[in-house]
Amino acid sequence: EMVMTQSPATLSVSPGARATLSCRASQSVSGNLAWYQQKPGQGPRLLIYGASTRATGIPTRFSGSGSGTEFTLTISSLQSEDFAVYYCHQYETWPPGTFGQGTKVEIK
Amino acid sequence: EVQLVESGGVVVQPGGSLRLSCAASGFSFDEYTMHWVRQTSGKGLEWVSLITRDGGSTFYGDSVKGRFTISRDTSRNTLFLQMDSLRTEDTAFYFCANERSKVFENWGLGTLVTVSS
Repeated sequence: EMVMTQSPATLSVSPGARATLSCRASQSVSGNLAWYQQKPGQGPRLLIYGASTRATGIPTRFSGSGSGTEFTLTISSLQSEDFAVYYCHQYETWPPGTFGQGTKVEIK
Repeated sequence: EVQLVESGGVVVQPGGSLRLSCAASGFSFDEYTMHWVRQTSGKGLEWVSLITRDGGSTFYGDSVKGRFTISRDTSRNTLFLQMDSLRTEDTAFYFCANERSKVFENWGLGTLVTVSS
């Protein structure tokens, strides 16, 4: 069974600072990884797919990298609207893929 | 603008039934595979079910197989989830999402299902 592990569980960051979120797969998922952002009271929003391709309308401050089992989501300069929970999702094994447990980015 | 609006979530007793709906607009509904994904505070995001574009194929997660049925009405641009034999562990927010190349492109706001006596 594929397990996706995100770290840290909570990340405290000052506005304007850089945030780096990690996602590790228990086995290789190649580049079949997506990142989603979720704010309270909303459904998740697609940010990144194919490990590094930004979805339509996503600001350039969001970037994804990695392949195989190690992936990173970087937010280069945190804006107030970026404080949220972020989930990774592998779709190498489909359906349905596997979600990580999430990283909450909070204001420091 | 793409919109997915879920409805039908209520409080229901264990063993009961419920039907969720997801009204889709702003995209070509019949060109997308559609999914239900649920979320609890304890288990996070859990995929529930999918239905292919033409409704010809459906798949279910192990925890709901044999109890839930996904369907779609292309004439009404609406996705459904019939939930039978509900258990307390089915309590969750239920989201619908459209999928492109195994990626959940758009999600709704969700509807809360509470299974409790």
